[in-house]
Amino acid sequence: AQTVTQSQPEMSVQEAETVTLSCTYDTSENNYYLFWYKQPPSRQMILVIRQEAYKQQNATENRFSVNFQKAAKSFSLKISDSQLGDTAMYFCAFMKLGIPFNKFYFGSGTKLNVKP
Amino acid sequence: EAQVTQNPRYLITVTGKKLTVTCSQNMNHEYMSWYRQDPGLGLRQIYYSMNVEVTDKGDVPEGYKVSRKEKRNFPLILESPSPNQTSLYFCASSPRTGNYEQYFGPGTRLTVT
Repeated sequence: AQTVTQSQPEMSVQEAETVTLSCTYDTSENNYYLFWYKQPPSRQMILVIRQEAYKQQNATENRFSVNFQKAAKSFSLKISDSQLGDTAMYFCAFMKLGIPFNKFYFGSGTKLNVKP
Repeated sequence: EAQVTQNPRYLITVTGKKLTVTCSQNMNHEYMSWYRQDPGLGLRQIYYSMNVEVTDKGDVPEGYKVSRKEKRNFPLILESPSPNQTSLYFCASSPRTGNYEQYFGPGTRLTVT
């Protein structure tokens, strides 16, 4: 079974600084997808960034980027120029491609507090 | 607007009283799932559906039922709720191919006393 581990239950960062959230996963699959989801106090789950395992280039979305280390099974999220609106719970997710269904596995989450 | 809707958003009920949480998506997605979110455990999959009339158990299916009679709807049924089912529930849908992104509903906060 696949497992996703987020070892930082809670983190804090000053506004405008950079923070990195860690995520490791365990799988024997070679083809899969990785995601970071943000859950603000509104509880809505919002996709932040996606990485295909077959792509070596790290995904980037504006201030959000990932450091994908396939051999180490590591998928960290870097948030640059942190903003107050980044305060949220962040979930790392692994998606296994399968028939008939693609299965998702989520980490336990990291609560990020951005301080003014 | 592409979205997943859930109702109700909040529900307080008593042990043993049957309830249904509805879920509907307007994106014509084949895949739909139900998750529960508990502190320190992240999201755990309850049931999923690959298409109409095709469903299967996720990681924590005990005490839940689902049905998929129409492509857009995927209700979650608790026939005899118990206090350990107090949780935050999310419905999600995703396309069978493409970017595989899951689109989540707004969540349903359920309390069973």
